[in-house]
Amino acid sequence: ELKVEQNPLFLSMQEGKNYTIYCNYSTTSDRLYWYRQDPGKSLESLFVLLSNGAVKQEGRLMASLDTKARLSTLHITAAVHDLSATYFCAVVEGGSQGNLIFGKGTKLSVKP
Amino acid sequence: DVKVTQSSRYLVKRTGEKVFLECVQDMDHENMFWYRQDPGLGLRLIYFSYDVKMKEKGDIPEGYSVSREKKERFSLILESASTNQTSMYLCASSYRLYNEQFFGPGTRLTVL
Repeated sequence: ELKVEQNPLFLSMQEGKNYTIYCNYSTTSDRLYWYRQDPGKSLESLFVLLSNGAVKQEGRLMASLDTKARLSTLHITAAVHDLSATYFCAVVEGGSQGNLIFGKGTKLSVKP
Repeated sequence: DVKVTQSSRYLVKRTGEKVFLECVQDMDHENMFWYRQDPGLGLRLIYFSYDVKMKEKGDIPEGYSVSREKKERFSLILESASTNQTSMYLCASSYRLYNEQFFGPGTRLTVL
């Protein structure tokens, strides 16, 4: 059974700092998704990572996937308040054909 | 753009009432999903459907049923609502099971 763990679950950052959110998963998979959820809103897709070594960047966020280590990272560069949200990773169960299994989410708060 | 809509943003019902939550997607997606989201528990899959009239139980199907009579529409039914079903309900759709899921705006259900 695939388990997906994110850490940290809560992250309070100062503006301008860098930090990394980790998403570990327990069985082989080569597809992983990152989502963002603003308070009171639904989930929006951020990144789709489809192979080992995949790296995607948008603005101050960069996501990468290491399928051998069963690890994805979401790196935040020079955080700004607008990045405050909850970030979820989701991993495809059964390698590449199954359903998505979501992590519990990382609640990020960026303070001035 | 993929659009997933849900019938209500907020709903208040009484214990024992039958509750219908409806979800419609406009991208001809094969798969549709119902999740509930509670603080500290992340997203939990209730049911999903991979084709018209086909359904599969997720992690927490007890107390819920679903209906998919048309490809674009997926309904979640609470046969007899209880207070522990107070939650945020999120609908999602995807082309293939392992593809990125697109989420609706969510329905916040309160059962009194």
